[in-house]
Amino acid sequence: GESVGLHLPTLSVQEGDNSIINCAYSNSASDYFIWYKQESGKGPQFIIDIRSNMDKRQGQRVTVLLNKTVKHLSLQIAATQPGDSAVYFCAENRRAGSARQLTFGSGTQLTVLP
Amino acid sequence: DAMVIQNPRYQVTQFGKPVTLSCSQTLNHNVMYWYQQKSSQAPKLLFHYYDKDFNNEADTPDNFQSRRPNTSFCFLDIRSPGLGDAAMYLCATSRGDRGGEQYFGPGTRLTVT
Repeated sequence: GESVGLHLPTLSVQEGDNSIINCAYSNSASDYFIWYKQESGKGPQFIIDIRSNMDKRQGQRVTVLLNKTVKHLSLQIAATQPGDSAVYFCAENRRAGSARQLTFGSGTQLTVLP
Repeated sequence: DAMVIQNPRYQVTQFGKPVTLSCSQTLNHNVMYWYQQKSSQAPKLLFHYYDKDFNNEADTPDNFQSRRPNTSFCFLDIRSPGLGDAAMYLCATSRGDRGGEQYFGPGTRLTVT
């Protein structure tokens, strides 16, 4: 069936290093993906999105890469900071009727070590 | 500045006792969503409203209902909470015409005793 999944449940990085969080998806028709950050006790927060007509998109300290051939996307965080510690979800944003719906992957817990 | 507000942040109810969770938004968005998120899991969509049109996910139990009396407010009613319904309940909104970003509230943590 359709699914959006993550490769690793946890990731620990040293402060100042770059982080890479990976995500695989199974539906080749998927055309819009979003990365969310969720801190403990809070709701998910939008980080960056990418549509299937792009391979790469950059934000402030974050870059998302999309490889449609192997149905894989990644989130790269440059110069990781303690405030980046959170669970990161990739999500497929697909149209369902009049609205759009998110299907979340299972999440990766990022821990930034001092 | 809060855009999606959920009340209460923590709710304790007894097994089988009906409970209502509230969500309000100041964004004037067309679409409002309710998600259930259990510990260490991803949020799972229960249902959404596009304006007044209710859209239920196929696997959402009948025990869960929702009401949207106006654009700003949406309620999640759990008719007979079971122990398995203990979770974080997240409300989110989006502009239906843009079909993009969803804005999430802080969630309500429901405990069932």
